[in-house]
Amino acid sequence: GAVVSQHPSRVICKSGTSVKIECRSLDFQATTMFWYRQFPKQSLMLMATSNEGSKATYEQGVEKDKFLINHASLTLSTLTVTSAHPEDSSFYICSARLGSSGNTIYFGEGSWLTVV
Amino acid sequence: GQNIDQPTEMTATEGAIVQINCTYQTSGFNGLFWYQQHAGEAPTFLSYNVLDGLEEKGRFSSFLSRSKGYSYLLLKELQMKDSASYLCAVCDQTGANNLFFGTGTRLTVIP
Repeated sequence: GAVVSQHPSRVICKSGTSVKIECRSLDFQATTMFWYRQFPKQSLMLMATSNEGSKATYEQGVEKDKFLINHASLTLSTLTVTSAHPEDSSFYICSARLGSSGNTIYFGEGSWLTVV
Repeated sequence: GQNIDQPTEMTATEGAIVQINCTYQTSGFNGLFWYQQHAGEAPTFLSYNVLDGLEEKGRFSSFLSRSKGYSYLLLKELQMKDSASYLCAVCDQTGANNLFFGTGTRLTVIP
């Protein structure tokens, strides 16, 4: 079946640095990918919708200059957390839609970010 | 906007049946998903309802009533491994068919 891969699965970075998380659809083309953040014992919160070849659409309250999203190809979207702070420590999950408008959505394995 | 409500926690006994409810309000409803999520892992797909009625898949069933903005996930013959969070997610076609999640219900199965 379809697989979405995220990398890295775990990353620790120093406060003030930037970290990039990749989301790849391994055997299908994903026009649309989604980025979520999940704090411990809370549900997934949609951060932004990433569309191939165009700017991402950010949800209210998400700083687009801090969370840079690039969807340069139909199989890759990246999330860069810039100038990371300890409060950015979280579980980041991407998902990818199969096809352009269907409701089949596959999730990546998630990436644990710890900012020290 | 979206407003999705689920109970925060539930406890049930191994072998029993448990029903997890989800109510929602959304402007552009285009389907409802249920996901299972074990701690520290990504969600895994359980079910998808877009029309009213019951969808059965093995020990798991999901029901939808669009007029009432209501869904439930029914788990039968509970097993210890079913202890997890169960997330209700609504697809909103207003934007890019985004998925918006409820707070999740943490289910604990006890012997």
